[in-house]
Amino acid sequence: KQEVTQIPAALSVPEGENLVLNCSFTDSAIYNLQWFRQDPGKGLTSLLLIQSSQREQTSGRLNASLDKSSGRSTLYIAASQPGDSATYLCAVRGNTPLVFGKGTRLSVIA
Amino acid sequence: GAVVSQHPSWVICKSGTSVKIECRSLDFQATTMFWYRQFPKQSLMLMATSNEGSKATYEQGVEKDKFLINHASLTLSTLTVTSAHPEDSSFYICSARDVQTSSYNEQFFGPGTRLTVL
Repeated sequence: KQEVTQIPAALSVPEGENLVLNCSFTDSAIYNLQWFRQDPGKGLTSLLLIQSSQREQTSGRLNASLDKSSGRSTLYIAASQPGDSATYLCAVRGNTPLVFGKGTRLSVIA
Repeated sequence: GAVVSQHPSWVICKSGTSVKIECRSLDFQATTMFWYRQFPKQSLMLMATSNEGSKATYEQGVEKDKFLINHASLTLSTLTVTSAHPEDSSFYICSARDVQTSSYNEQFFGPGTRLTVL
C-alpha cells in the first residue's frame, strides 16, 4: 500500500528566504506526482504535476523534482513571500487514485 | 478548462438527518470521480471511487450504506451522508478524471464542502 510522508510538518521562514519541502513515497511504481497548495478551509490548488518519466517541473518561483527510484520529491520555493503561507500537499498516483501526504504547513513571516 | 464544482460549499445539519453533496465537472466528461474526506489538520483520505453507470468502490473502513454515492451521468456524482452524526463533520472534496485527456489521467479537484453535524 502506497504511503506518502512529508517533512517537515510545519515550517516558518522569514520573507525572501528560499526553502525546500520534502516528500517521500514507499512504492516507486507511480505514474505521476503532484504538488498542491491548500489555504485554510479551502480546496486544493494544483501547483505542479511531474510525470514519472520527468525529473523536474518549474512554474514561476516553484521548482519540483522527482527521483522515482528513491521515492522522493522536493518542492523548492524561491524568494518566499507572505502570500506563500499555506499547507503544501504532495500526492502520488500509481494504480490507484491519488494518495496524499499529510502536508507541510508553511508560514512566511513579513 | 477542467473545472470541478461542488454544492453546497458548506452545510450545517442536525444529527440524524441526511445530507447530499453534489460534484460536477463543468467543462469535461468524467467517467470516474473520487470522494475524499479531510479531518482538521489531517490529509485527504480517499473514501470511494465512483464510476459512471456502476456501483462505487469504497475504501476499507468506509461504510457504503452510510455514504451513498451515485454517479448517474458523466458530469455529476453525488455523495449522501445518511443519518449524519457529529463525527461525520469533516471537509469533503471530490475529484474528477477527464476521459479526453492524455493517458496521464490527471485528477481535478472541487473546492470542497464543509459539513458540520450538530
